[in-house]
Amino acid sequence: KQEVTQIPAALSVPEGENLVLNCSFTDSAIYNLQWFRQDPGKGLTSLLLIQSSQREQTSGRLNASLDKSSGRSTLYIAASQPGDSATYLCAVRPQAAGNKLTFGGGTRVLVKP
Amino acid sequence: DTGVSQDPRHKITKRGQNVTFRCDPISEHNRLYWYRQTLGQGPEFLTYFQNEAQLEKSRLLSDRFSAERPKGSFSTLEIQRTEQGDSAMYLCASSLQGHEQYFGPGTRLTVT
Repeated sequence: KQEVTQIPAALSVPEGENLVLNCSFTDSAIYNLQWFRQDPGKGLTSLLLIQSSQREQTSGRLNASLDKSSGRSTLYIAASQPGDSATYLCAVRPQAAGNKLTFGGGTRVLVKP
Repeated sequence: DTGVSQDPRHKITKRGQNVTFRCDPISEHNRLYWYRQTLGQGPEFLTYFQNEAQLEKSRLLSDRFSAERPKGSFSTLEIQRTEQGDSAMYLCASSLQGHEQYFGPGTRLTVT
């Protein structure tokens, strides 16, 4: 059974510092991995999707890497801003048929001005 | 089309009552998913549909839960005889087969 873990559960940084968020998964047979952002009481916004054949994906200040063999992904957010404060979730999709995502517990980020 | 929509956004109900939630997916998406998220946790898969067929159900989906997607478009999730443990955010997502899932804003259920 796939298990996804995100450490730390919470993170507080001063504005301008780079953020590093970690995600690990137990079964390397994944189809892709996705990073989401969730604001309090809201739904999920997709940030980046990395296919299993890719090593990294970039969008603006966000960069996500994937090391499938070691079961790890890292989300980097450069030059953090107070607007980046949110919960960040990673989710993996299995190679097997079906499309369900298995999520980590999330990392709650606070960027202090 | 502006994305996945869910209705209602918030629902407060008394224990033992039945509730029904609706999800409208992105119009061309043939797959629709339901997830449940409790406070401080990541979402957990409940069930998914391909067109009108329900293809997988999680063990989390007890006999009190039922989901339908009658014409392969919108979906409903019904919870009968609600319990306090059902209090959660219920998230709907849709996708084209094999592609990225797009999530709706969720329905927050509070059972008193």
